[in-house]
Amino acid sequence: NAGVTQTPKFRILKIGQSMTLQCTQDMNHNYMYWYRQDPGMGLKLIYYSVGAGITDKGEVPNGYNVSRSTTEDFPLRLELAAPSQTSVYFCATFGQGETEAFFGQGTRLTVV
Amino acid sequence: AQSVSQHNHHVILSEAASLELGCNYSYGGTVNLFWYVQYPGQHLQLLLKYFSGDPLVKGIKGFEAEFIKSKFSFNLRKPSVQWSDTAEYFCAVISYSSASKIIFGSGTRLSIRP
Repeated sequence: NAGVTQTPKFRILKIGQSMTLQCTQDMNHNYMYWYRQDPGMGLKLIYYSVGAGITDKGEVPNGYNVSRSTTEDFPLRLELAAPSQTSVYFCATFGQGETEAFFGQGTRLTVV
Repeated sequence: AQSVSQHNHHVILSEAASLELGCNYSYGGTVNLFWYVQYPGQHLQLLLKYFSGDPLVKGIKGFEAEFIKSKFSFNLRKPSVQWSDTAEYFCAVISYSSASKIIFGSGTRLSIRP
């Protein structure tokens, strides 16, 4: 039981490049979330999903896209990387009947 | 707009001092509340949670929090802090009337002087 797995752990992108941050969970949780963490700003919700095929915008969705074709996977896509997207990204899951969210280890992304 | 507020951005205490970190939220309806801790260089760990029942909840490492519904607050307390409590602390709320989004506060950085 791996829990929530995020890849990669670190990445450096050039401005204008694109990439996908992967998030996979093996707990059969319906709810999945993507956050970015910036110093002094806490965690801001980018996108979330309440089940396969259903996604919705969070607090700071601009510049990102998501998809949820399966319960297990919730990839986050950056199409045109910008320096403002330099951050640490966390994926999280929450299941009905659970009493806490489970977090991945994070992806540290630098855009130069 | 729905939000979670942590008014203390940086708290500095000496060892053995008492701690209280404030958390207020603006959601209506049924909410569940959490405090997470993030030690330097690590990911978030759950300290404690409130779902229902006794509004005074106890968590790991001697932390506790009190849910006061009338004040929309969920303050974190510890009677005597240790140097190892140096970390960043995040309050979070999940609102079932808001599509089960989990929203975090901006965090409070706690520094403990040995």
